[in-house]
Amino acid sequence: GAVVSQHPSWVICKSGTSVKIECRSLDFQATTMFWYRQFPKQSLMLMATSNEGSKATYEQGVEKDKFLINHASLTLSTLTVTSAHPEDSSFYICSASSRPRGNQPQHFGDGTRLSIL
Amino acid sequence: GQQLNQSPQSMFIQEGEDVSMNCTSSSIFNTWLWYKQDPGEGPVLLIALYKAGELTSNGRLTAQFGITRKDSFLNISASIPSDVGIYFCAGQLVMTTDSWGKLQFGAGTQVVVTP
Repeated sequence: GAVVSQHPSWVICKSGTSVKIECRSLDFQATTMFWYRQFPKQSLMLMATSNEGSKATYEQGVEKDKFLINHASLTLSTLTVTSAHPEDSSFYICSASSRPRGNQPQHFGDGTRLSIL
Repeated sequence: GQQLNQSPQSMFIQEGEDVSMNCTSSSIFNTWLWYKQDPGEGPVLLIALYKAGELTSNGRLTAQFGITRKDSFLNISASIPSDVGIYFCAGQLVMTTDSWGKLQFGAGTQVVVTP
């Protein structure tokens, strides 16, 4: 149980392109999803928290107009990197948790490797 | 963002040896989690701890939630080659409308197992 699917797993595109990444919870309803960015040999950096049916909450320093998040259903959240540039190249990972009575652990997708040329 | 203090940063061990790593924080957490990440993949949950003092095992893995709620350790017994990877601790904030159960991660422990 608690499977999170992320798509695509790898994207290479030209500078200026917008890229959409999908995160789906396959066997549970995810009220809350999280988007992370990870640089090589570093830990995960939280970008934003996505709640179904409401606006995402962005961490300090993350541009909300650059990284558009939509959480339209209890099983799907999307991250769109708008007008991507080489500095946006990174490993993006989503996670999901169900609305808990107590705290529930986050389960992670397999990540999306984004390379901007 | 804020990170937990995870040590050691890396470990080079021989197959069959035990591995131990720990995380400390100045903050109190209600939940401690341990994840393993292989190259090019997302973290996989190994153990979740919900109560101070709790000691939980998952196969060859054992983890404990510190009594002060500010620390946790993970032990791997009798290591095998597939234990290679990066292990992350994470403290989970209480689920509120402000925190939404956000995680604070350690910097990771790179484990290398040699035959």
